[in-house]
Amino acid sequence: EAGVVQSPRYKIIEKKQPVAFWCNPISGHNTLYWYRQNLGQGPELLIRYENEEAVDDSQLPKDRFSAERLKGVDSTLKIQPAELGDSAVYLCASSSSVLSYEQYFGPGTRLTVT
Amino acid sequence: DAKTTQPTSMDCAEGRAANLPCNHSTISGNEYVYWYRQIHSQGPQYIIHGLKNNETNEMASLIITEDRKSSTLILPHATLRDTAVYYCIVRALSNFGNEKLTFGTGTRLTIIP
Repeated sequence: EAGVVQSPRYKIIEKKQPVAFWCNPISGHNTLYWYRQNLGQGPELLIRYENEEAVDDSQLPKDRFSAERLKGVDSTLKIQPAELGDSAVYLCASSSSVLSYEQYFGPGTRLTVT
Repeated sequence: DAKTTQPTSMDCAEGRAANLPCNHSTISGNEYVYWYRQIHSQGPQYIIHGLKNNETNEMASLIITEDRKSSTLILPHATLRDTAVYYCIVRALSNFGNEKLTFGTGTRLTIIP
């Protein structure tokens, strides 16, 4: 069974440029998460989806970050415009439901903003 | 804020048991103890979880003290592939589902050949 797929794996952009990350969760998983991981820290939740509905986006910086999961399957996280402080690894995870005890993580996208 | 305290780093000899401690003195009755690990350049991976009884699976054992204020993750025969950052997380399960995973900084475990 394929795991969580993310692309690109690496992205280097200049500040003020837009960037987008894509995630395809495990087939059949209704719950999708986006996390941000700064260097030396644990991942921090940005947003959680139940199917196509964003049910927890309290940690998403809404002035520059946006996310969508239009058909309740794959998802896109966008930053516009990017700032130097956005350099981090962006992780996508999925689980079969919010009641599931296990989240499956993708390998992440390492973003460098110069 | 993370609700757990873990040592920053630990070493363990290959083939020996690795014992990773975690303090969670403010844990509530409906909160489970979860362990995830993150190997370099990969996403976190679920290891095990428990409420109050000791748990064992193919990867590890979880020992939770009777007062539930601390726990120990045991990797019985550590290999070089177990080198990773290990996160201890407390997480509630309510009628609305699981609360979010709140990661701390974890323990960096290095397995020594």
